[in-house]
Amino acid sequence: QKEVEQNSGPLSVPEGAIASLNCTYSDRGSQSFFWYRQYSGKSPELIMSIYSNGDKEDGRFTAQLNKASQYVSLLIRDSQPSDSATYLCAVNAGNNRKLIWGLGTSLAVNP
Amino acid sequence: EPEVTQTPSHQVTQMGQEVILRCVPISNHLYFYWYRQILGQKVEFLVSFYNNEISEKSEIFDDQFSVERPDGSNFTLKIRSTKLEDSAMYFCASSQQVYNSPLHFGNGTRLTVT
Repeated sequence: QKEVEQNSGPLSVPEGAIASLNCTYSDRGSQSFFWYRQYSGKSPELIMSIYSNGDKEDGRFTAQLNKASQYVSLLIRDSQPSDSATYLCAVNAGNNRKLIWGLGTSLAVNP
Repeated sequence: EPEVTQTPSHQVTQMGQEVILRCVPISNHLYFYWYRQILGQKVEFLVSFYNNEISEKSEIFDDQFSVERPDGSNFTLKIRSTKLEDSAMYFCASSQQVYNSPLHFGNGTRLTVT
Protein backbone atom coordinates (compact mmCIF):
# COMPACT_ATOMS: atom_id res chain seq x y z
CA GLN A 1 0.00 0.00 0.00
CA LYS A 2 1.56 3.27 -1.13
CA GLU A 3 1.42 5.88 1.60
CA VAL A 4 2.16 9.55 2.17
CA GLU A 5 2.59 10.61 5.77
CA GLN A 6 2.45 14.04 7.34
CA ASN A 7 2.26 15.30 10.90
CA SER A 8 -1.31 16.46 11.34
CA GLY A 9 -0.33 19.33 13.63
CA PRO A 10 -1.53 21.83 14.44
CA LEU A 11 1.72 23.63 13.80
CA SER A 12 1.62 27.06 15.38
CA VAL A 13 4.15 29.77 14.46
CA PRO A 14 4.25 33.51 15.13
CA GLU A 15 3.83 35.95 12.27
CA GLY A 16 7.13 36.52 10.47
CA ALA A 17 8.63 33.18 11.51
CA ILE A 18 9.60 30.24 9.31
CA ALA A 19 7.12 27.38 9.13
CA SER A 20 8.57 23.96 8.30
CA LEU A 21 6.27 21.22 6.99
CA ASN A 22 7.40 17.66 6.37
CA CYS A 23 6.21 14.70 4.35
CA THR A 24 7.46 11.15 3.83
CA TYR A 25 6.36 8.74 1.14
CA SER A 26 6.67 5.00 0.68
CA ASP A 27 6.92 4.51 -3.09
CA ARG A 28 10.56 4.75 -4.23
CA GLY A 29 9.39 5.01 -7.82
CA SER A 30 7.63 8.32 -7.27
CA GLN A 31 8.81 11.10 -9.56
CA SER A 32 6.54 14.09 -8.96
CA PHE A 33 5.91 15.83 -5.67
CA PHE A 34 3.46 18.60 -4.91
CA TRP A 35 2.47 20.83 -2.06
CA TYR A 36 -1.09 22.10 -2.01
CA ARG A 37 -2.77 24.49 0.39
CA GLN A 38 -6.36 23.86 1.41
CA TYR A 39 -8.57 26.24 3.32
CA SER A 40 -11.48 24.70 5.19
CA GLY A 41 -14.24 23.63 2.81
CA LYS A 42 -12.26 24.66 -0.26
CA SER A 43 -10.35 22.85 -2.97
CA PRO A 44 -6.59 22.20 -2.93
CA GLU A 45 -4.55 25.07 -4.37
CA LEU A 46 -1.11 24.33 -5.82
CA ILE A 47 1.76 25.95 -3.92
CA MET A 48 4.85 24.17 -5.25
CA SER A 49 5.89 21.28 -7.45
CA ILE A 50 9.28 19.60 -7.33
CA TYR A 51 10.65 16.80 -9.47
CA SER A 52 14.38 16.50 -8.70
CA ASN A 53 16.52 16.31 -5.58
CA GLY A 54 17.43 19.55 -3.91
CA ASP A 55 15.71 22.83 -3.22
CA LYS A 56 13.26 24.82 -5.30
CA GLU A 57 12.35 28.34 -4.29
CA ASP A 58 9.33 30.40 -5.27
CA GLY A 59 8.87 33.64 -3.39
CA ARG A 60 8.43 32.88 0.30
CA PHE A 61 8.15 29.14 -0.35
CA THR A 62 10.96 26.59 -0.65
CA ALA A 63 10.37 22.93 -1.41
CA GLN A 64 13.09 20.42 -0.58
CA LEU A 65 13.26 16.90 -1.96
CA ASN A 66 15.45 14.00 -0.86
CA LYS A 67 14.57 10.89 -2.81
CA ALA A 68 17.11 8.71 -1.00
CA SER A 69 15.36 9.47 2.29
CA GLN A 70 11.91 9.56 0.65
CA TYR A 71 11.30 12.92 2.19
CA VAL A 72 9.89 16.20 0.91
CA SER A 73 9.46 19.39 2.88
CA LEU A 74 8.03 22.86 2.50
CA LEU A 75 9.45 25.95 4.17
CA ILE A 76 7.38 29.11 4.41
CA ARG A 77 9.42 32.19 5.22
CA ASP A 78 7.97 35.35 6.77
CA SER A 79 4.76 33.49 7.65
CA GLN A 80 1.57 35.53 7.43
CA PRO A 81 -1.80 34.96 9.11
CA SER A 82 -3.21 34.36 5.63
CA ASP A 83 -0.92 31.31 5.38
CA SER A 84 -3.04 29.63 8.06
CA ALA A 85 -4.47 26.58 6.30
CA THR A 86 -3.95 22.85 5.88
CA TYR A 87 -0.95 21.95 3.72
CA LEU A 88 -1.30 18.77 1.71
CA CYS A 89 1.59 16.76 0.35
CA ALA A 90 0.80 14.79 -2.82
CA VAL A 91 3.04 12.27 -4.58
CA ASN A 92 2.51 10.51 -7.87
CA ALA A 93 2.23 6.75 -7.51
CA GLY A 94 5.27 5.61 -9.49
CA ASN A 95 4.38 5.23 -13.15
CA ASN A 96 0.73 5.80 -12.45
CA ARG A 97 -1.08 8.99 -13.17
CA LYS A 98 -2.81 9.22 -9.83
CA LEU A 99 -1.65 11.23 -6.85
CA ILE A 100 -1.42 9.77 -3.36
CA TRP A 101 -2.18 12.35 -0.69
CA GLY A 102 -1.18 12.91 2.90
CA LEU A 103 -3.78 13.87 5.47
CA GLY A 104 -2.27 17.34 5.68
CA THR A 105 -0.63 19.51 8.31
CA SER A 106 -2.70 22.26 9.86
CA LEU A 107 -0.72 25.49 10.13
CA ALA A 108 -1.75 28.41 12.34
CA VAL A 109 0.16 31.69 12.00
CA ASN A 110 -0.47 33.89 15.00
CA PRO A 111 -0.41 37.69 14.61
CA GLU B 1 -5.73 32.80 -15.31
CA PRO B 2 -7.73 29.88 -16.74
CA GLU B 3 -9.48 27.73 -14.19
CA VAL B 4 -11.40 24.51 -13.79
CA THR B 5 -15.07 25.12 -13.11
CA GLN B 6 -17.45 22.73 -11.39
CA THR B 7 -21.21 22.71 -11.03
CA PRO B 8 -23.18 22.54 -8.87
CA SER B 9 -21.29 23.74 -5.81
CA HIS B 10 -23.61 21.76 -3.54
CA GLN B 11 -25.88 18.84 -4.39
CA VAL B 12 -28.27 17.19 -1.96
CA THR B 13 -29.83 13.91 -3.03
CA GLN B 14 -31.66 10.98 -1.53
CA MET B 15 -30.07 7.58 -1.23
CA GLY B 16 -30.56 5.53 -4.38
CA GLN B 17 -30.87 8.53 -6.67
CA GLU B 18 -28.57 9.25 -9.59
CA VAL B 19 -26.41 12.36 -9.60
CA ILE B 20 -24.28 13.96 -12.29
CA LEU B 21 -21.44 16.24 -11.32
CA ARG B 22 -20.17 18.54 -14.01
CA CYS B 23 -16.76 20.01 -14.75
CA VAL B 24 -15.22 22.20 -17.42
CA PRO B 25 -11.45 21.57 -17.44
CA ILE B 26 -8.90 24.14 -18.56
CA SER B 27 -9.17 24.32 -22.33
CA ASN B 28 -5.66 23.26 -23.38
CA HIS B 29 -5.39 20.47 -20.81
CA LEU B 30 -5.49 16.89 -22.00
CA TYR B 31 -5.79 14.87 -18.79
CA PHE B 32 -8.80 14.95 -16.54
CA TYR B 33 -9.37 13.55 -13.09
CA TRP B 34 -11.94 13.10 -10.38
CA TYR B 35 -10.90 13.01 -6.75
CA ARG B 36 -13.04 13.00 -3.65
CA GLN B 37 -12.51 13.99 -0.02
CA ILE B 38 -14.72 12.72 2.75
CA LEU B 39 -14.88 15.23 5.60
CA GLY B 40 -11.74 15.00 7.74
CA GLN B 41 -10.11 12.40 5.51
CA LYS B 42 -7.45 12.31 2.80
CA VAL B 43 -8.07 13.31 -0.78
CA GLU B 44 -8.68 10.09 -2.72
CA PHE B 45 -8.15 9.38 -6.40
CA LEU B 46 -11.19 8.12 -8.29
CA VAL B 47 -10.40 8.13 -11.99
CA SER B 48 -8.22 9.62 -14.70
CA PHE B 49 -9.34 10.20 -18.27
CA TYR B 50 -7.39 10.81 -21.44
CA ASN B 51 -8.20 10.67 -25.13
CA ASN B 52 -11.86 9.94 -24.44
CA GLU B 53 -11.26 6.92 -22.29
CA ILE B 54 -10.49 5.99 -18.71
CA SER B 55 -6.74 5.60 -18.25
CA GLU B 56 -6.84 4.51 -14.62
CA LYS B 57 -9.42 4.03 -11.88
CA SER B 58 -9.28 3.23 -8.19
CA GLU B 59 -11.07 0.47 -6.32
CA ILE B 60 -13.55 3.12 -5.15
CA PHE B 61 -14.63 3.67 -8.76
CA ASP B 62 -16.95 0.68 -9.03
CA ASP B 63 -19.84 0.01 -11.40
CA GLN B 64 -21.91 2.74 -9.73
CA PHE B 65 -19.56 5.37 -11.14
CA SER B 66 -19.03 6.47 -14.71
CA VAL B 67 -17.35 9.38 -16.46
CA GLU B 68 -18.02 10.97 -19.77
CA ARG B 69 -16.78 13.77 -21.96
CA PRO B 70 -19.97 14.45 -23.89
CA ASP B 71 -18.58 17.35 -25.89
CA GLY B 72 -15.32 19.26 -26.30
CA SER B 73 -15.53 21.06 -23.00
CA ASN B 74 -17.51 19.19 -20.33
CA PHE B 75 -16.34 16.29 -18.20
CA THR B 76 -18.93 14.58 -16.02
CA LEU B 77 -19.01 12.12 -13.14
CA LYS B 78 -22.19 10.08 -12.72
CA ILE B 79 -23.09 8.12 -9.63
CA ARG B 80 -25.93 5.78 -10.56
CA SER B 81 -27.41 4.89 -7.20
CA THR B 82 -26.02 7.02 -4.42
CA LYS B 83 -25.21 5.65 -0.99
CA LEU B 84 -24.81 7.50 2.29
CA GLU B 85 -21.05 6.90 2.15
CA ASP B 86 -20.83 8.75 -1.16
CA SER B 87 -21.28 11.99 0.76
CA ALA B 88 -18.05 13.93 0.18
CA MET B 89 -16.46 16.81 -1.68
CA TYR B 90 -15.84 15.82 -5.28
CA PHE B 91 -13.02 17.61 -7.05
CA CYS B 92 -12.43 17.71 -10.76
CA ALA B 93 -8.86 18.41 -11.90
CA SER B 94 -7.00 18.74 -15.15
CA SER B 95 -3.37 18.82 -16.27
CA GLN B 96 -1.48 19.52 -19.48
CA GLN B 97 0.64 16.40 -19.34
CA VAL B 98 0.51 13.19 -17.41
CA TYR B 99 3.96 13.37 -15.84
CA ASN B 100 5.61 16.25 -14.02
CA SER B 101 2.55 18.38 -14.54
CA PRO B 102 0.59 19.83 -11.64
CA LEU B 103 -3.11 19.21 -11.31
CA HIS B 104 -5.35 22.24 -11.28
CA PHE B 105 -8.48 21.73 -9.22
CA GLY B 106 -11.96 23.10 -9.51
CA ASN B 107 -13.79 24.48 -6.47
CA GLY B 108 -15.50 21.18 -5.85
CA THR B 109 -19.04 19.89 -5.49
CA ARG B 110 -20.21 19.05 -2.01
CA LEU B 111 -22.45 15.98 -2.35
CA THR B 112 -24.76 15.21 0.53
CA VAL B 113 -26.68 11.93 0.39
CA THR B 114 -29.59 11.68 2.84
